Amino acid sequence: GQNIDQPTEMTATEGAIVQINCTYQTSGFNGLFWYQQHAGEAPTFLSYNVLDGLEEKGRFSSFLSRSKGYSYLLLKELQMKDSASYLCAVMDSNYQLIWGAGTKLIIKP
Amino acid sequence: IAGITQAPTSQILAAGRRMTLRCTQDMRHNAMYWYRQDLGLGLRLIHYSNTAGTTGKGEVPDGYSVSRANTDDFPLTLASAVPSQTSVYFCASSEGGGAAYNEQFFGPGTRLTVL
Repeated sequence: GQNIDQPTEMTATEGAIVQINCTYQTSGFNGLFWYQQHAGEAPTFLSYNVLDGLEEKGRFSSFLSRSKGYSYLLLKELQMKDSASYLCAVMDSNYQLIWGAGTKLIIKP
Repeated sequence: IAGITQAPTSQILAAGRRMTLRCTQDMRHNAMYWYRQDLGLGLRLIHYSNTAGTTGKGEVPDGYSVSRANTDDFPLTLASAVPSQTSVYFCASSEGGGAAYNEQFFGPGTRLTVL
């Protein structure tokens, strides 16, 4: 079966760095996406990785290791507005997205 | 219209009633999707459409039907609602075409409660 695992909840301090991990087992791989979802709102796109390595985009970076079935999202200089759920999703061989349950990130002052 | 709109924003529905959730996009995207999101679970694909005139079943299609008469609209119908269909429903679209980099854009969601 297909499976995406990520921690249910994490807590971090404003100004700090946090790493949210995602492991996956899917039928085929056509890329891994990270989305941000604030409470009561729609998910919005953050990043896409298809090759191994680190993709940096401002305060956010995403890493992929295809051989390990592993990705992480790194958030630097945390701000209160970063409090949200972070969703990991893998595009399978049928070009459909398989979604993790999301990691709720709580930022404390 | 900018992006994707969904209607209604929320709805309380009696079990056994028929309900259509509406979704419209103005980005001329080929592909459209319907997901449901339940607490503790990831987004689950109900139905999708790769292009106007075609539809396909996702992970949890039972009890739902869709149509794609044109590029912009992708309504989702619950023929006879049951309490287990209580959820938040998101419509999404992407450029499609089988491309791997296929960012999906989401509508604001419809919160449906079936009593």
